[in-house]
Amino acid sequence: AQKVTQAQTEISVVEKEDVTLDCVYETRDTTYYLFWYKQPPSGELVFLIRRNSFDEQNEISGRYSWNFQKSTSSFNFTITASQVVDSAVYFCALSGGSQGNLIFGKGTKLSVKP
Amino acid sequence: AAGVIQSPRHLIKEKRETATLKCYPIPRHDTVYWYQQGPGQDPQFLISFYEKMQSDKGSIPDRFSAQQFSDYHSELNMSSLELGDSALYFCASSLRQQGFGYEQYFGPGTRLTVT
Repeated sequence: AQKVTQAQTEISVVEKEDVTLDCVYETRDTTYYLFWYKQPPSGELVFLIRRNSFDEQNEISGRYSWNFQKSTSSFNFTITASQVVDSAVYFCALSGGSQGNLIFGKGTKLSVKP
Repeated sequence: AAGVIQSPRHLIKEKRETATLKCYPIPRHDTVYWYQQGPGQDPQFLISFYEKMQSDKGSIPDRFSAQQFSDYHSELNMSSLELGDSALYFCASSLRQQGFGYEQYFGPGTRLTVT
């Protein structure tokens, strides 16, 4: 069975702090894909990143960075120098090699206070 | 760039009524997914279509049905609505021919309220 666990339900930080959102996944597929989506208070789901199981290279995009470690089945997301506009619910998601549908974690609600 | 379009954005129905949600995928995308997100919950996969054929089925109630038309738009039909059907319904599209893991782009969602 496939499963995504985001142990942090809510995180509150002060602006300019760095924050890491944890994601642990379970799958028996050898080929799989991991995603992060952002859901701001307005409700839409915004795609942030996709990673396939064969690519463990970490990625940085501006203030965002992702750390994928197959050995620990983790795909963590770090926001550097957080801003109030980063306040949202962040979902980690998984799709298997033969199915395209996403399995989401429960989400982490990030509140960045000025 | 063109995005996924969903209509209506908001819908209020009474118990036992029917509702139809529409989704227009990004042009040239061949796959459509439907998800249901209850209040404070994560999105749950309902059903997907690839090249107008049903592809995968998730936790979709028997009261719901969906189809994808020749122009690739999709409709989710919901009958005998229950209070528990109140949720945000997302449609997402992707280009499966580039691989199952191709990113899914989500529409803005339809907020359904059943009273």
